[in-house]
Amino acid sequence: NAGVTQTPKFQVLKTGQSMTLQCAQDMNHNSMYWYRQDPGMGLRLIYYSASEGTTDKGEVPNGYNVSRLNKREFSLRLESAAPSQTSVYFCASSDGTSKETQYFGPGTRLLVL
Amino acid sequence: AQSVTQLDSQVPVFEEAPVELRCNYSSSVSVYLFWYVQYPNQGLQLLLKYLSGSTLVESINGFEAEFNKSQTSFHLRKPSVHISDTAEYFCAVSVSGGSYIPTFGRGTSLIVHP
Repeated sequence: NAGVTQTPKFQVLKTGQSMTLQCAQDMNHNSMYWYRQDPGMGLRLIYYSASEGTTDKGEVPNGYNVSRLNKREFSLRLESAAPSQTSVYFCASSDGTSKETQYFGPGTRLLVL
Repeated sequence: AQSVTQLDSQVPVFEEAPVELRCNYSSSVSVYLFWYVQYPNQGLQLLLKYLSGSTLVESINGFEAEFNKSQTSFHLRKPSVHISDTAEYFCAVSVSGGSYIPTFGRGTSLIVHP
């Protein structure tokens, strides 16, 4: 039982390049989330998926797109990376009720030059 | 909408000393409250949570938090900290019967000195 896995762990991009961050969970959770973490800003929700086939914008969606490929997988795409997207990205999953714990992946550290 | 305020961005403390990390929330309806811990270079993991019942909740590694409805607080305490408790701590709130997405505070960095 691996929980939530993310790839890659680290990535360096040049401005304008694109990339996809991958996330998978093996807990049969309905809901999945993408957050970014920046110093002094805490966690900010980028996009979330309440269930397979649905996605919704969070607090900071600009410059990102997502795909809920199936119940297990939820990917985050940067179409044209900008230095402001330098951050640590976390994927999380939960059963999708307000009392449920969120389970987080180990994070992807992204540097955009 | 609910909000969470963690009053201290950084809390330095000596090993074996007591510590309190403060968390206040605002919500007009019933809430569920969480503390998550993030060790260096790792993702967040649940430390403890309050759903209902006893207002004092405990974790397996000696932390406790008390839900105070009148003061809208959920402060985290430990009577004696270890070096290994050095981490970032996040308070989070979600609304009973409402959006299942929690709102996170900005985090408090606990730094334990030998």
